[in-house]
Amino acid sequence: GQSLEQPSEVTAVEGAIVQINCTYQTSGFYGLSWYQQHDGGAPTFLSYNALDGLEETGRFSSFLSRSDSYGYLLLQELQMKDSASYFCAVSEGDTGFQKLVFGTGTRLLVSP
Amino acid sequence: GAVVSQHPSRVICKSGTSVKIECRSLDFQATTMFWYRQFPKKSLMLMATSNEGSKATYEQGVEKDKFLINHASLTLSTLTVTSAHPEDSSFYICSAKMAEKLYEQYFGPGTRLTVT
Repeated sequence: GQSLEQPSEVTAVEGAIVQINCTYQTSGFYGLSWYQQHDGGAPTFLSYNALDGLEETGRFSSFLSRSDSYGYLLLQELQMKDSASYFCAVSEGDTGFQKLVFGTGTRLLVSP
Repeated sequence: GAVVSQHPSRVICKSGTSVKIECRSLDFQATTMFWYRQFPKKSLMLMATSNEGSKATYEQGVEKDKFLINHASLTLSTLTVTSAHPEDSSFYICSAKMAEKLYEQYFGPGTRLTVT
């Protein structure tokens, strides 16, 4: 079956660095994405890794190891507005019709 | 750019009635649109994938006769929940993809459906 596991909750203080892990087991794999969702809001795209290694986008970085079926999202210089849920998602399916399978989600709480 | 809207944002309906939810890509043409369901503090569950002019592909366990999807144009997809029951109460979110970015989906703000 398909599964993407994430820690349910992570807490940190402003200015800190936090890492959210994602391990996956899916029938197909084109890449690993990360989305942020504030309460009651729409998920927004953060990053995408198709190949092994680290992708950096401002304060956020994402890592992928395909051999380990593992990835993580690294958030640096945490701000209060980073309090949200973070989902990893695997792209799978035939090219052009790729769908996302979402992880269980991690709730990040940033305190002053 | 890449804005997706949903209408209505909230809807309350009685058991047995049908509800239609619209999803529009406002500033791009969406090659594919997706419909998700999300329970409180839970993950997004893909219900179906739809492409303009063709039948939707439903995920296992999703009743196609209950959740009717129509993808009338490259900017509009609709989800109709037929003969709604209280257990259909949920947050329904659509997303859209453009041809230029295969890996990124743009999500609508969601529709909160409550069936009484």
